Amino acid sequence: QVQLQESGPGLVKPSQTLSLTCTVSGGSISSGDYYWSWIRQPPGKGLEWIGYIFYTGSTYYNPSLKSRATISVDTSRNQFSLKLSSVTAADTAVFFCARANSSHDASDIWGQGTLVTVSS
Amino acid sequence: EIVMTQSPATLPVSPGERATLSCRASQSIRDSLAWYQQRPGRAPRLLIYGASTGATGVPARFSGSGSGTEFTLTISSLQSEDFAIYHCQQYYSWPLTFGGGTKVEIK
Repeated sequence: QVQLQESGPGLVKPSQTLSLTCTVSGGSISSGDYYWSWIRQPPGKGLEWIGYIFYTGSTYYNPSLKSRATISVDTSRNQFSLKLSSVTAADTAVFFCARANSSHDASDIWGQGTLVTVSS
Repeated sequence: EIVMTQSPATLPVSPGERATLSCRASQSIRDSLAWYQQRPGRAPRLLIYGASTGATGVPARFSGSGSGTEFTLTISSLQSEDFAIYHCQQYYSWPLTFGGGTKVEIK
């Protein structure tokens, strides 16, 4: 049974870079049947898709983030990571990692989510 | 970017009753639509993809319909665990986008 787990600091200072890692267990991140996404949810608000990475390293990002997001993959550790630069209070959110099925693009497995607060 | 609009924002329903949730896309997305359930403090859970295909393990009381720009999620007989927020998502084009959510609450 595939599981995803986010990890990283829960508090980041304004203007700094937010860094999170998602560890995949119970399955291989190198499967060509899936791609791997980051999604965030500000407190009390809706979901915003940040971007995805395929195990080959190909990526796509939400243009709304204005090139602040970088997603990378480490197949040897079965992990993928998110870096979000120049954060402000508006970036405070619960961050989820998720697996999307290449055959239909819906996210069928999610991590539990991790709250990241941007504050000095 | 495709804008997804869900209605109503809040839906009061009595246990055992039927709930009907709507999702509209700003342009045609064919059947590239998913529905997710999110309970408080939890991650979203995939219910429906392809507008009408149930995800693994999802109870039969959840059904989806629609294509193009108009979609519906129906819960035939609400159980206590179904009171939650429901999100629709289009995956027809990038960036993937979500609706604002519908909160199904106890009437």
